[in-house]
Amino acid sequence: DQQVKQNSPSLSVQEGRISILNCDYTNSMFDYFLWYKKYPAEGPTFLISISSIKDKNEDGRFTVFLNKSAKHLSLHIVPSQPGDSAVYFCAASASYGNQFYFGTGTSLTVIP
Amino acid sequence: GAGVSQSPSNKVTEKGKDVELRCDPISGHTALYWYRQSLGQGLEFLIYFQGNSAPDKSGLPSDRFSAERTGGSVSTLTIQRTQQEDSAVYLCASSLRQVRGYTDTQYFGPGTRLTVL
Repeated sequence: DQQVKQNSPSLSVQEGRISILNCDYTNSMFDYFLWYKKYPAEGPTFLISISSIKDKNEDGRFTVFLNKSAKHLSLHIVPSQPGDSAVYFCAASASYGNQFYFGTGTSLTVIP
Repeated sequence: GAGVSQSPSNKVTEKGKDVELRCDPISGHTALYWYRQSLGQGLEFLIYFQGNSAPDKSGLPSDRFSAERTGGSVSTLTIQRTQQEDSAVYLCASSLRQVRGYTDTQYFGPGTRLTVL
């Protein structure tokens, strides 16, 4: 049973515009959320995280929003750049456990 | 600075054979994770090591899967009597420590692509 879902397998955006990647989760005990970026033939690399005590976290062009009532988080990239083209995974964990639950990923293509 | 390394990068094996996958974490990282990613799926947690504590094996899909971490550093994931459904990319990650969910960043290796014919 997939506890973290990314319902859009792919997304295309023009360079300079905003990219919005979405993630939904089902377990209300999750209290820490992360986004990873993955290039082909490489392992995922950490991008940005947010804990459940916040509803927004910014790091440069990347902002993660958390809506706990909707069990939804999103990653905003603005402005999008061609180098942002990659697969993005969201992940969630609960403070009582060791596991991180990953979504299936969204492949972002930024068109120059 | 060395990141997480995994070997081999690719492994093709015949159904029924045993395979060993190796992970070298970042020096000094006490936490080590194994995941696998099957085609079209997200990363699936397999096993977690933290220092000298007993590993969390709750994600291992069957008793054909086992893992060791020797000396708190290198880890080996062993799959016995491989099946075609074991075909996946196996990823290893390490982090400095695990602080109950608010963990340090996990650094991933490039993965081992396992193909079982």
